[in-house]
Amino acid sequence: AQSVSQHNHHVILSEAASLELGCNYSYGGTVNLFWYVQYPGQHLQLLLKYFSGDPLVKGIKGFEAEFIKSKFSFNLRKPSVQWSDTAEYFCAVNANPSGSARQLTFGSGTQLTVLP
Amino acid sequence: SQTIHQWPATLVQPVGSPLSLECTVEGTSNPNLYWYRQAAGRGLQLLFYSVGIGQISSEVPQNLSASRPQDRQFILSSKKLLLSDSGFYLCAWSGVEQYFGPGTRLTVT
Repeated sequence: AQSVSQHNHHVILSEAASLELGCNYSYGGTVNLFWYVQYPGQHLQLLLKYFSGDPLVKGIKGFEAEFIKSKFSFNLRKPSVQWSDTAEYFCAVNANPSGSARQLTFGSGTQLTVLP
Repeated sequence: SQTIHQWPATLVQPVGSPLSLECTVEGTSNPNLYWYRQAAGRGLQLLFYSVGIGQISSEVPQNLSASRPQDRQFILSSKKLLLSDSGFYLCAWSGVEQYFGPGTRLTVT
């Protein structure tokens, strides 16, 4: 079955540490890729997205992600995390970008806790 | 700008009672609309989506149903709630990417 895997369920870092959250998907064709973030008590919001072109995409708040097609991966990175980055992070894939439904399949999420 | 509303924000219902959760979108026309359930440690599970009025696709067979009576209105319903229906329900609409509402926390007792 098609799936999106986030292997890190809970990551704890100190401020200024570097972050990398893994995301792997199982679709073989063209995909659109997303990272969403949910801060405590807030809506789920888009962090960044990849549709085509440069596989290194930059998002809000200093986050970036790299699409590696050969590895079916779209890992999220940030060089130096802040306490305010504490949130839950979700990777999502649209496996049928040309379709009208634009359904997303989400990973199970990674809870990031940044210690001050 | 586009806005998405969901209500109620929280709901406590007994087993066997009916359910109606409402989602409305402002500032866009003919959006794709989606219902998700979010469970701790399990991410977001797509329940239903709609590409137009009266058009509903179900992703997971279950105790719930959805309807889209108007272009920017999406309703999640159940005739008889089960304990397993407890969870956090999110509505979303999409242009190129998906935008999420604030969610409804449903507790079935």
